[in-house]
Amino acid sequence: DVKVTQSSRYLVKRTGEKVFLECVQDMDHENMFWYRQDPGLGLRLIYFSYDVKMKEKGDIPEGYSVSREKKERFSLILESASTNQTSMYLCASSFHSGTGGSGGYTFGSGTRLTVV
Amino acid sequence: AQSVTQLDSQVPVFEEAPVELRCNYSSSVSVYLFWYVQYPNQGLQLLLKYLSGSTLVESINGFEAEFNKSQTSFHLRKPSVHISDTAEYFCAVSGSGGYNKLIFGAGTRLAVHP
Repeated sequence: DVKVTQSSRYLVKRTGEKVFLECVQDMDHENMFWYRQDPGLGLRLIYFSYDVKMKEKGDIPEGYSVSREKKERFSLILESASTNQTSMYLCASSFHSGTGGSGGYTFGSGTRLTVV
Repeated sequence: AQSVTQLDSQVPVFEEAPVELRCNYSSSVSVYLFWYVQYPNQGLQLLLKYLSGSTLVESINGFEAEFNKSQTSFHLRKPSVHISDTAEYFCAVSGSGGYNKLIFGAGTRLAVHP
């Protein structure tokens, strides 16, 4: 069964800590995405990557960075965690449009991060 | 730029009643349209999608959505809901080219009551 795996289901971190959220997919997808989900705001795109070592800012990249050293792994980094980054973080992957990207995304189960 | 508006943040309904979850989009280009469902404490799952062809698309669990280009809408319907349909539903749009980036609506929470 194809899937996207997020390494942690729940995380609690202190303000100022550097936080790493990991995501791995086994579908050989070119694209990978990080969203945060907040009540009433839906999903907002933080960063995405369309190839190894490539990254593009989404709608709310401030306070975050990403790393994609291998095709199957896409990491989200909170450089200095703040309480306003408490949220549900969702990773997703897909093919490029020209290679089957119209099939939509496959999502991970999410990481609920609490910053105290 | 593309955007998605889900007109209802919450929809309460009794079991076996019909339901419609509304979605409107704005885009100047050809689009693909999707509905995703999120059950409590889970990630999002693809429910159905419109890419081209027939404007009426169906899911395996009885939901359907109709693409209406003139009204730029993609409303989700089910003639008779079950308790197990209680979830949050997200409408999403992407362009037909490029990096297949999806833009999501704010979500509609469907609560089915016995």
